Amino acid sequence: EDKVVQSPLSLVVHEGDTVTLNCSYEVTNFRSLLWYKQEKKAPTFLFMLTSSGIEKKSGRLSSILDKKELFSILNITATQTGDSAIYLCAVLNNNDMRFGAGTRLTVKP
Amino acid sequence: SQTIHQWPATLVQPVGSPLSLECTVEGTSNPNLYWYRQAAGRGLQLLFYSVGIGQISSEVPQNLSASRPQDRQFILSSKKLLLSDSGFYLCAWSVRGQGRAFGYTFGSGTRLTVV
Repeated sequence: EDKVVQSPLSLVVHEGDTVTLNCSYEVTNFRSLLWYKQEKKAPTFLFMLTSSGIEKKSGRLSSILDKKELFSILNITATQTGDSAIYLCAVLNNNDMRFGAGTRLTVKP
Repeated sequence: SQTIHQWPATLVQPVGSPLSLECTVEGTSNPNLYWYRQAAGRGLQLLFYSVGIGQISSEVPQNLSASRPQDRQFILSSKKLLLSDSGFYLCAWSVRGQGRAFGYTFGSGTRLTVV
């Protein structure tokens, strides 16, 4: 059975801290792994990772995929209160996209 | 540009009542369409996906159903709602064709509370 597991489920940090969110997966016909940020309503796209070892960066966020060990990490440096959200990992295969349960990040001032 | 519309934004329905949530996509043709549900504090669970008119795949057995009467319209329905149907429902679309899907684009969601 396909599954996507995220850890931790919740995380509370202070502004300026660096956080690492984890996502492991077991999915047939893997095509790519995606990270989304969900604040109040619809998730918004952050990254799509298809190849191992290639880091994607966007400002203070970065992510990398390991297709051998079947996991990805999302790093956020110098966190800000606006980073508070649920971060969703999803794996795309031939048919659809499977989501993990998400990591709820709370950044305190 | 492509846009996705989902309504209503919030809905409070009594147990046993019917449900109809609608999702439409503009600016694209032949999209893949999806319905997801997010229970409180949990990730997104795929309910249905559709690759074409009248083609519906169900991921989870339940009292919900989906229909795609037109290419860019996707409807989520129930004849009799259960308390457990409460949650946040998201419609999404992606470009048809393997390898071209740059993730999914989500609608703004419907928060359903069954009382």
